[in-house]
Amino acid sequence: AQKVTQAQTEISVVEKEDVTLDCVYETRDTTYYLFWYKQPPSGELVFLIRRNSFDEQNEISGRYSWNFQKSTSSFNFTITASQVVDSAVYFCALSGVNYGQNFVFGPGTRLSVLP
Amino acid sequence: DAGVIQSPRHEVTEMGQEVTLRCKPISGHDYLFWYRQTMMRGLELLIYFNNNVPIDDSGMPEDRFSAKMPNASFSTLKIQPSEPRDSAVYFCASSPGRGSEKLFFGSGTQLSVL
Repeated sequence: AQKVTQAQTEISVVEKEDVTLDCVYETRDTTYYLFWYKQPPSGELVFLIRRNSFDEQNEISGRYSWNFQKSTSSFNFTITASQVVDSAVYFCALSGVNYGQNFVFGPGTRLSVLP
Repeated sequence: DAGVIQSPRHEVTEMGQEVTLRCKPISGHDYLFWYRQTMMRGLELLIYFNNNVPIDDSGMPEDRFSAKMPNASFSTLKIQPSEPRDSAVYFCASSPGRGSEKLFFGSGTQLSVL
């Protein structure tokens, strides 16, 4: 069965600090997809990134960066120079080639960025 | 595009009443998902449809829950009778493709069963 673990339940940082959110996954599939979603206090789920299992290249988008390491089954998310608007719950998710129970979300990490 | 549209945004009902949640997926998306979010269990997949056909409903908690998709632009999730433990945020999501595609989520329905 596929599983996503986000060991950090809550993180608090002061504005401008860097913060890394951890994501560890389990799957027996050779082809799979990893996602990060953001859920701000308003409640909607906002897509941030998708990565497939064959592409281990790290990605940077502005203050956001993602580190994918198949060797450790991790897909970590770093926010550089955090801002108050980054305060949200962040979910890591894993999908197989087909949907269904294969599309699983981690429990989420609540990030609070204090001014 | 208007995105995935869910209604109502908030629903407050009394135990034993029937509750119907509605979802309009993004036009052209072949997949539709219903998720439930609670503090205890996080985001749980309840059921998903492909081309209006239910593919996997193993996440539906019990027979009180039912979901339909009569056409490509509309789906309902019904709870009858509702119970306090059904209180949660229910999300609908749609997607144009298979597992490689991201899910587009609606704004959710906050359900409170008193």
